[in-house]
Amino acid sequence: NAGVTQTPKFQVLKTGQSMTLQCAQDMNHNSMYWYRQDPGMGLRLIYYSASEGTTDKGEVPNGYNVSRLNKREFSLRLESAAPSQTSVYFCASSRGGGGNSYNEQFFGPGTRLTVL
Amino acid sequence: AQTVTQSQPEMSVQEAETVTLSCTYDTSESDYYLFWYKQPPSRQMILVIRQEAYKQQNATENRFSVNFQKAAKSFSLKISDSQLGDAAMYFCAYRSPGTYSGAGSYQLTFGKGTKLSVIP
Repeated sequence: NAGVTQTPKFQVLKTGQSMTLQCAQDMNHNSMYWYRQDPGMGLRLIYYSASEGTTDKGEVPNGYNVSRLNKREFSLRLESAAPSQTSVYFCASSRGGGGNSYNEQFFGPGTRLTVL
Repeated sequence: AQTVTQSQPEMSVQEAETVTLSCTYDTSESDYYLFWYKQPPSRQMILVIRQEAYKQQNATENRFSVNFQKAAKSFSLKISDSQLGDAAMYFCAYRSPGTYSGAGSYQLTFGKGTKLSVIP
């Protein structure tokens, strides 16, 4: 099993360009997440998808859109990149599905994005 | 909203010694979940240990253990017999209980991290 995969691993954009970060998981998880990590800030949630067909905003959604393409895939789109979006982006997934359990999240390897 | 505080931006430990990383959190919920994640230079987030608030017993995973003090809202990580491979950023994270319908979010709230160095 590959777990959670992300593409690309590195990307450099110019201000105003658009791009889509791809994420896929092969663990049959219901829930998926996008986080950004900035120096000294920990990880902050951008958007999440509790289950296939649903998406919701997290703590820092401005400037981003997401698509839950199917149960496996959850993409993050930057329509008009800004230097403030320079960050490391992590996708994660968890079992979800309700009930009371740890539902620990499994993370992808991250994408380092630089916006010039 | 819940907050997670890691008051030690950096820590160091001698190889084979023991080190404790602190984490405190603020919540009004009675049940919740706490996690410690490790992030080595490779950037990969690795789950180290987890704890449910309703469980009195402190979690242990090999050389890693926690000291969970619910009343004090404290969740510290102890690493025994430190190894060079333990050098990494360590993040404490909080998660609210999920809904039984599955409609809620299982999002994590992270602290800002502690950078642990291991001295040979």
